[in-house]
Amino acid sequence: TQLLEQSPQFLSIQEGENLTVYCNSSSVFSSLQWYRQEPGEGPVLLVTVVTGGEVKKLKRLTFQFGDARKDSSLHITAAQTGDTGLYLCAGDRGGNQFYFGTGTSLTVIP
Amino acid sequence: NAGVTQTPKFQVLKTGQSMTLQCAQDMNHEYMSWYRQDPGMGLRLIHYSVGAGITDQGEVPNGYNVSRSTTEDFPLRLLSAAPSQTSVYFCASSPPGYRVGYTFGSGTRLTVV
Repeated sequence: TQLLEQSPQFLSIQEGENLTVYCNSSSVFSSLQWYRQEPGEGPVLLVTVVTGGEVKKLKRLTFQFGDARKDSSLHITAAQTGDTGLYLCAGDRGGNQFYFGTGTSLTVIP
Repeated sequence: NAGVTQTPKFQVLKTGQSMTLQCAQDMNHEYMSWYRQDPGMGLRLIHYSVGAGITDQGEVPNGYNVSRSTTEDFPLRLLSAAPSQTSVYFCASSPPGYRVGYTFGSGTRLTVV
């Protein structure tokens, strides 16, 4: 059983559309991170959120950490083909281990 | 600045063979970890290290060994390869205060036949 569940698992949208990816858990996390991974490469860090209710924006990407620090969301506005990739959330519970979510594979169609 | 370097990039092993996946980082990061990535499973932690001479088990450590004799290197050893170990392996490193996020290598794709 994965500690962090992401939904949807797969998402295919047209360029210009908006989308939201969810990362949920029954556990509380000290911090949560979002990564994007492209085929044949390792994940690349997009953002870290540490405070319940925190919202961070990175250009067209908006990240939110749930008030109870058990969940997070990633919203992309006006998706572009360059946004295509695997999006992974990862969280720590205050120890030295980082738990990764199951991933959301996003395809943006031109 | 090379970041995290993993070798080899691809490897095919026969069941029962042993091998070492190499990982080196040049950023003087204290934290290093090994993950395996399987379809639909995300990344699962195999072993991690918080500094030279210190290692600990993650979620799926069985069948793997690690050591950390230097800050730079963190090799992962498969003792007796099994088909269930077919996966993509990633090494990652982070400075202290791991909330700053991991830097990942580009991965090793391992097939055990």
